[in-house]
Parts: sequence; structure tokens; C-alpha cells
Amino acid sequence: QVQLVESGGGLVKPGGSLRLSCEASGFKFIDYYINWIRQAPGRGLEWLSYISPSGNTIFYADSVKGRFTISRDNAKNSVYLEMTNLRADDAGVYYCTRELRPYYEFLTGYYLWGQGTLVTVSS
Amino acid sequence: EIVLTQSPGTLSLSPGESATLSCRARQSVSSNYVAWYQQKPGQAPRLLISGSSSRAPGVPDRFSGSGSGTDFTLTISRLEPEDFAVYYCQQYAGSPRTFGQGTKVEIK
Repeated sequence: QVQLVESGGGLVKPGGSLRLSCEASGFKFIDYYINWIRQAPGRGLEWLSYISPSGNTIFYADSVKGRFTISRDNAKNSVYLEMTNLRADDAGVYYCTRELRPYYEFLTGYYLWGQGTLVTVSS
Repeated sequence: EIVLTQSPGTLSLSPGESATLSCRARQSVSSNYVAWYQQKPGQAPRLLISGSSSRAPGVPDRFSGSGSGTDFTLTISRLEPEDFAVYYCQQYAGSPRTFGQGTKVEIK
């Protein structure tokens, strides 16, 4: 079954850290960029970061640059988001996503989404 | 950063009517790399349109996208009850990728 499954969310205190995981199955993982996107409660979608299939190309939104680190382990079909110095406005549902087509074809929107993992930042 | 502005914020329509959603970019989006998503409460977004006008697999043909440069449109003809949701546009031509703030299509 083609899917992405996020895990690792939970309750963390302001200033704390959390590591999210995104495990892929059912497709050739090394052919795809993986993105993290979040949605604060009652708010819109915010793109956070992407990582290339090799892991050599990474980009971050300004809102998380310097605090979040994306990485991947192709042997485990997994992407990670290490989040540090968390703030109240980092709370929300975090999704990992994949494009419709592999990286060597044309760019597309995000066709495959995980179910999301909830991050709560509160003292 | 390419800023996207969606309008209107809310669209109140009846089933069977058509909906026209706008997404305007502050600068030109190269290769018309604009996508549209539908999101229902408690669910992950669903890709509807890529490349400004290409429907994603399984998307009904009542959804259509158009536009180029800085102005893009999602049209939903003959609204079905399941189409009432929030719709987001996104550009994936530049980094960072960015989303519009969303348009809610609600039942009148």
C-alpha cells in the first residue's frame, strides 16, 4: 500500500525539542523529494521544508530555519524532522508529503500525504 | 518568496452552482507551477490540480484549473455536496514553496 505515516508528535514545553518521523511504504522512496507541511489549529497550510532523494538538497521556510533540521535514511524509507527551541506558534498538525511524479520527471503538487501528527507546545 | 493571495475568503453557494476561486501571485510563477488542494475537516489536503490545469488522478472533471503568470483560477462546475470544503493554492516553482491562505466554499 502506497502511504506515508508520520509519528513522534506530542506535548512539549516551550523551548523543548521533538523529533518527527515519516515512514514511506509501497513506492520507490529514493525517487522522491519529501516535504514537511504544518497546519496550526484552525489555520491554513504552511510549507516548512523539503529534502531531495539523495539528501543533498534541503530547503527551509524562514520560520523554522536554524531551529528545525530535516534528514532522511533511505535504507529505512524514512524522513525525519528534528525540531528544537519549540515555540507556541509551532503547534499544529505536521504532515509529510510526496509529489505525484518522481524527481526526474516534471514537478507536480503534493499527491501523497500522511495522516499527520499533532504537536502541542505548552507549559 | 512568492506570496499567494486567494479570493474570496469565503464563497457561499448552493449545490449545482459553479464556484470560481482566484489565486494571485505577487510575482510570476514560472512554468505555471501552481497546484490546488481541497481540504475537509479532520482530513489531510487532497491534490486536485497541478501545473495550473492538470487534474490529479481520480479528480472529477467538474474541477478545472486555468491561468498563467500571476493569475490562476480554480473552477468547480455544478457543486456537489462533497465539494464544500476549504481550497488552497500553492506554488512550487520557487523555494520556499508557499500556499495561499485558503478559500472556504460553504453551503448557502
